[in-house]
Amino acid sequence: EAGVTQSPRYAVLQEGQAVSFWCDPISGHDTLYWYQQPRDQGPQLLVYFRDEAVIDNSQLPSDRFSAVRPKGTNSTLKIQSAKQGDTATYLCASSHLGNTLYFGAGTRLSVL
Amino acid sequence: GDSVTQTEGPVTLSEGTSLTVNCSYETKQYPTLFWYVQYPGEGPQLLFKVPKANEKGSNRGFEATYNKEATSFHLQKASVQESDSAVYYCALSDQTGYQNFYFGKGTSLTVIP
Repeated sequence: EAGVTQSPRYAVLQEGQAVSFWCDPISGHDTLYWYQQPRDQGPQLLVYFRDEAVIDNSQLPSDRFSAVRPKGTNSTLKIQSAKQGDTATYLCASSHLGNTLYFGAGTRLSVL
Repeated sequence: GDSVTQTEGPVTLSEGTSLTVNCSYETKQYPTLFWYVQYPGEGPQLLFKVPKANEKGSNRGFEATYNKEATSFHLQKASVQESDSAVYYCALSDQTGYQNFYFGKGTSLTVIP
């Protein structure tokens, strides 16, 4: 069974540039999560979906970050105008009925 | 809101010595508790789901215990190996309709041969 797939693995931007991260969850997993993991810290939830519906996006900086999961399968997280403070690893995870989280390898973002 | 707190900072141990990592949690719900491990360049991976209160779980030589009265849970290994060098996270999932997962800050373990 394939795991959670994320792309790209790395991204380097100048401040003000936009970037998108893509996630393909484990097949059959209805719940998809995006976490931000700053260096030397634990994962911090940004947003999560059940199927195509947003369950909680209260931690998503809504003025610059957006996330969609239009068909309840793949998901895209976008940063419109990146800031140096956005430098972190962005992790996607999925679960079936919120049982156990399975993570992808993450996208390491550096904003210069 | 729900939260977990890991009490240890970076840990350096010699091979063959024992490890204990402690976590406490706050939740108004009945929680499901987990331990995750993260190796460099990878996402966190499940070490195991902590079993019911006052029962021990084990995987890869690690054991977990959970004290419901003290709202705490613990990860232990009697004899660490160099390959155990990683970051260990405790996590909590609440049991409301759509579960969120809350992670501790992590304990970085370095094992010296």
